[in-house]
Amino acid sequence: SYVLTQPPSVSVAPGQTARITCGGNNIGSKSVHWCQQKPGQAPVLVVYDDSDRPSGIPERFSGSNSGNTATLTISRVEAGDEADYYCQVWDTSGEHVLFGGGTKLTVL
Amino acid sequence: EVQLVESGGGLVQPGTSLRLSCAASGFPFDAYAMHWVRQAPGKGLEWVSGISWISGAIGYADSVKGRFTISRDNAKNSLYLQMNSLRPEDTALYYCAKGKRGYDALIDYWGQGTLVTVSS
Repeated sequence: SYVLTQPPSVSVAPGQTARITCGGNNIGSKSVHWCQQKPGQAPVLVVYDDSDRPSGIPERFSGSNSGNTATLTISRVEAGDEADYYCQVWDTSGEHVLFGGGTKLTVL
Repeated sequence: EVQLVESGGGLVQPGTSLRLSCAASGFPFDAYAMHWVRQAPGKGLEWVSGISWISGAIGYADSVKGRFTISRDNAKNSLYLQMNSLRPEDTALYYCAKGKRGYDALIDYWGQGTLVTVSS
């Protein structure tokens, strides 16, 4: 079955750029979506179809996807960006939604 | 404003059943796929089940296949999850989630969740 691999944690100082990766076999051929989950809250979609942003999501959030790695990039990181981030794809082999294990972003 | 309100969670014993409900509002419910996603305490997100807008396509995670049944009532703007033969590993916060388009992985809104605890 298809597996999505995310680093458990990423740390970045305020104002710097955070990059969170999501690895999968030929993931570049799939549409990757990213959601943000702050402690005690429901997830929020921040990037979809690799690089599109829902309305209301700051331009600081962007995405890319190529080869075996998709990346969520958060520019000019703020303390309020501290959260868990999950990538997700459609697993065509099982016809179901697949989530990565999640990455905890810590703002130093 | 999209609202998804889950209900039906609680503390149950292993081997018993529970039915979760999700009341949807703020969007044309019958035009979108819907999903259940769960999160065990301190763990990541796990997709449980999804259903297309007219129930033509339904899917389940291997961990719940044969035990859980998803359904929807478009006339009542409601989504359901019938959970049978519950196990301790089913303990989690269960989220109702709205698909942004057809039956695929794109979820654009989530409810606040209902907690299911399976314990003797």
